[in-house]
Amino acid sequence: QKEVEQDPGPLSVPEGAIVSLNCTYSNSAFQYFMWYRQYSRKGPELLMYTYSSGNKEDGRFTAQVDKSSKYISLFIRDSQPSDSATYLCAMTRGRGSQGNLIFGKGTKLSVKP
Amino acid sequence: GAVVSQHPSRVICKSGTSVKIECRSLDFQATTMFWYRQFPKQSLMLMATSNEGSKATYEQGVEKDKFLINHASLTLSTLTVTSAHPEDSSFYICSASPGDLALNYGYTFGSGTRLTVV
Repeated sequence: QKEVEQDPGPLSVPEGAIVSLNCTYSNSAFQYFMWYRQYSRKGPELLMYTYSSGNKEDGRFTAQVDKSSKYISLFIRDSQPSDSATYLCAMTRGRGSQGNLIFGKGTKLSVKP
Repeated sequence: GAVVSQHPSRVICKSGTSVKIECRSLDFQATTMFWYRQFPKQSLMLMATSNEGSKATYEQGVEKDKFLINHASLTLSTLTVTSAHPEDSSFYICSASPGDLALNYGYTFGSGTRLTVV
């Protein structure tokens, strides 16, 4: 079993839809959870960062972490064509020199106008 | 927020030559930097962790003599691909962490370097 599992999609939705992206993980030591957006041939851009369990909202984006189920989610409301990209979940046990990220495979999202 | 600059964004080199990639933290001091590699349609895989002023720690399977990492200052880390071969062609991305302050930013990535070895 891989440390982080993420459905690679592709996922295609109409403009305005609510998008739900998910990852599961196996290592209970993970404490810091992130969602990145990556456009083709570009570096990942941090969207959301969450420490431990709970919800976090930023504009159209909501991140949820359920450590008891080892499950994290990213919701995108009122999706736009500009949201079309690959979304990567990432997590780490620690910070500083212990902060190397373990990534999911990424889910490719396409929002159709 | 934290900004990481990576250069060059794209490089094409001949087989057998060496290529240097730079990663700079522009508005913070990066005590730790991470180098990742990403193959097409795959996720990012950690290659090595570099700490300012000390030797890099390489992940299993990554040749330290082939991928030379230097983190000589708190704002600059370099990755040199030595004697490059076509199988080294990939997308290389760095990530910088300002230590404990990373909690406020998550981890910030450079824009990546696409290396093509011909």
